[in-house]
Amino acid sequence: NAGVTQTPKFRILKIGQSMTLQCTQDMNHNYMYWYRQDPGMGLKLIYYSVGAGITDKGEVPNGYNVSRSTTEDFPLRLELAAPSQTSVYFCASSYGRLDTQYFGPGTRLTVL
Amino acid sequence: AQTVTQSQPEMSVQEAETVTLSCTYDTSESDYYLFWYKQPPSRQMILVIRQEAYKQQNATENRFSVNFQKAAKSFSLKISDSQLGDAAMYFCAYRSADTGNQFYFGTGTSLTVIP
Repeated sequence: NAGVTQTPKFRILKIGQSMTLQCTQDMNHNYMYWYRQDPGMGLKLIYYSVGAGITDKGEVPNGYNVSRSTTEDFPLRLELAAPSQTSVYFCASSYGRLDTQYFGPGTRLTVL
Repeated sequence: AQTVTQSQPEMSVQEAETVTLSCTYDTSESDYYLFWYKQPPSRQMILVIRQEAYKQQNATENRFSVNFQKAAKSFSLKISDSQLGDAAMYFCAYRSADTGNQFYFGTGTSLTVIP
């Protein structure tokens, strides 16, 4: 099993550009999550999904969109990039709501 | 919202010695889960140990153990026989057992292991 994979590893965007961060898991997990980690801080939840076709907002959803068309994939979309979105983004998955979350390696995004 | 506080931004330990990382949290809930995650320079978040609040027995995973004091809302991590590979950022996290899907993370403790 590859676990949770994320692409790209690094990306630099200009203000106003858009991009999609990809996340895929091969563990047949129902739950998937997107977090952001700002320098010197812990992770904050952006969006999560409890299964294909079902998504919900987390603590910091503004400026982001998600979709979950399959069990395996949970892409995160930034429509109009802003400097405040400079962060490291982590995707995670778990089988059930209270089960251990497995994290991907992260994507470092810089918006200039 | 629940808050998780790690009051030690940085800690250091001699190789083979023992170190304790502190974590306190604030909640009005009675049922919840607590976690310690390790984040090495590779940035990947790795689960170290997990504690269910309804269990009085402290969780242990090899050289890692916790001291869970529910009344004091304290959840410290003890690393015994520290190894160079233990050097990393350590995050304490809280999750409700009853409501929502929110994880609350502390700001982390950077652990240095001195050879």
